[in-house]
Amino acid sequence: AQKVTQAQTEISVVEKEDVTLDCVYETRDTTYYLFWYKQPPSGELVFLIRRNSFDEQNEISGRYSWNFQKSTSSFNFTITASQVVDSAVYFCALSEANTGTASKLTFGTGTRLQVTL
Amino acid sequence: GAGVSQSPRYKVAKRGQDVALRCDPISGHVSLFWYQQALGQGPEFLTYFQNEAQLDKSGLPSDRFFAERPEGSVSTLKIQRTQQEDSAVYLCASSLRGLAWETQYFGPGTRLLVL
Repeated sequence: AQKVTQAQTEISVVEKEDVTLDCVYETRDTTYYLFWYKQPPSGELVFLIRRNSFDEQNEISGRYSWNFQKSTSSFNFTITASQVVDSAVYFCALSEANTGTASKLTFGTGTRLQVTL
Repeated sequence: GAGVSQSPRYKVAKRGQDVALRCDPISGHVSLFWYQQALGQGPEFLTYFQNEAQLDKSGLPSDRFFAERPEGSVSTLKIQRTQQEDSAVYLCASSLRGLAWETQYFGPGTRLLVL
């Protein structure tokens, strides 16, 4: 069975600090997809990034970057120069895809990030 | 274009009442998912539709939970004889063609409180 672990329940940083959110996953499938979503206080899950299991290239988007390492089954998310608007709960999720059809997302328990002035 | 919408946004029910939660997916999206999010937890899968066909309902916690999507667009999640443990946020998501690598786009959720 697939599983996603986000060991950090809550992180508090001061604005402009860098912060890394950890995600470790378990799956028996060889083809899978990893996602990060942001859930601000309004409650709606906002898609941030998708990664497939064949592409270990790290990705940077503005202040956001992601580090995918299959050897350690990790897909970590770093926010550089954090801002108050980054305060939210962040979820890592896994989708197994060997059948080629749509698959449910398995989410971690989330990491609450609090950025203060 | 419009995103996924859900109604009502908030619902208070007395224990034993039936409730119906509605989801309007993004126009043209084939796949529709329902998730349940308990307080302080990540969303958990309930059920999945591709067009009007319910292809996976393995996550429905009991036979009190029922979902339908009769015309392949709007979906309704019905909970019969609600119990306090049903209190949660119910999230709906849709994806374009129902392919495994596609992103699921989420609605704002319906917060259900059972008293």
